[in-house]
Amino acid sequence: GAGVSQSPSNKVTEKGKDVELRCDPISGHTALYWYRQSLGQGLEFLIYFQGNSAPDKSGLPSDRFSAERTGGSVSTLTIQRTQQEDSAVYLCASSLALLANTGELFFGEGSRLTVL
Amino acid sequence: GQQLNQSPQSMFIQEGEDVSMNCTSSSIFNTWLWYKQEPGEGPVLLIALYKAGELTSNGRLTAQFGITRKDSFLNISASIPSDVGIYFCWTGTASKLTFGTGTRLQVTL
Repeated sequence: GAGVSQSPSNKVTEKGKDVELRCDPISGHTALYWYRQSLGQGLEFLIYFQGNSAPDKSGLPSDRFSAERTGGSVSTLTIQRTQQEDSAVYLCASSLALLANTGELFFGEGSRLTVL
Repeated sequence: GQQLNQSPQSMFIQEGEDVSMNCTSSSIFNTWLWYKQEPGEGPVLLIALYKAGELTSNGRLTAQFGITRKDSFLNISASIPSDVGIYFCWTGTASKLTFGTGTRLQVTL
């Protein structure tokens, strides 16, 4: 597609359930990033993928969070046993070259997660 | 870890006023970017700076890469209602990808 596509756009779940959020990056973009934005807050880095390299998972807040990127394209962020504090907008971004070159990230519109 | 301080946290201004915000880092970087996020959207790149001392304009927006390479400034001249949003600075290296805490801008008529 023309832009970064995320689904679902909205997800309401009950505490303790698992959720999966999907990101479809811009075609040809080798780098993919996940950020979390809590209400009224800034952007919290979660994880990024670059080509076939091992992902940088340093931003994942707990072992309930995991992400994978299949075939160097689509990525799925999984949150297990969701907690109310997981409620946030999860933003995905992709870029042509890892930020050392351009640093320009293209963001999706985000997936808003609400944990009841 | 790296800290990226952005100020002010929020601004309430009248249409037509000029706006200035800045971002400072505890480390030296080679890149500074400024993004704008409108409600319900993901951030969109406004201006990119790649050289210390660089001054770049994009319409009513002007951004500068500080000489020390530890800071950057974004100015908006003659603000209009559509300037409303959250402005984020961004810098990093291959292993650290950091946005500033954001400056929330409100423009009143």
